[in-house]
Amino acid sequence: QVQLVQSGAEVKKPGASVKVSCKASGYTFTSYQINWVRQAPGQGFEWMGRINPSGASTTYAQKFRDRVTMTRDASTSTVYMELDSLTSDDTAVYYCARDIPNYYGSNWFDPWGQGTLVTVSS
Amino acid sequence: QSVLTQPPSASGTPGQRVTISCSGSSSNIGSYTVNWYQHVPGTAPKLLFYSNDQRPSGVPDRFSGSKSGTSASLAISGLQSEDEADYYCATWDDSLNGQVFGGGTKLTVL
Repeated sequence: QVQLVQSGAEVKKPGASVKVSCKASGYTFTSYQINWVRQAPGQGFEWMGRINPSGASTTYAQKFRDRVTMTRDASTSTVYMELDSLTSDDTAVYYCARDIPNYYGSNWFDPWGQGTLVTVSS
Repeated sequence: QSVLTQPPSASGTPGQRVTISCSGSSSNIGSYTVNWYQHVPGTAPKLLFYSNDQRPSGVPDRFSGSKSGTSASLAISGLQSEDEADYYCATWDDSLNGQVFGGGTKLTVL
């Protein structure tokens, strides 16, 4: 079955960087883009951007454009999301989600990874 | 402040019908289809509806989705305790050139 498995929880100090991985299985890795979405405590979902595993092109949300880097390793069917210059506001659960294209409307996300808690604290 | 507006909470007793609204604008819901996700905190979010009203396999037909103009709705009939979760609407936004979500609605089954 299609599955996205993310790396474990991280604790980082302010100013540091974090790199979260998302390993895909059960489908052709290069056929679907992967999105990253985060959820801060008590808040809703926030889209960070996406990567096309075929060619590694990326689209980042404007809010994160200066601090986020999404990469992929096709040999292991894994995508990575690195976020720099962390502050306490970046404390959140980070999810990866497969992008299902919709040529007549908005793409949708299915499935999602289990989430990775990133805690930023001094 | 989320781009799409949802009520923060909704509730109902078992067997009742509940509706959750999602309001947007011409740059998002007015131009694109709407998707809905169900999220039980601590678990992976789950796709509930795509393309306004299309149910993935496995989603009970007690759930229905619709869209009109710049708004969308999720309805749940025959409410069950297992429906207790957070529900999010989502779509693409041309102005932001990105995916946008509603703030989420916490559904409580009384």
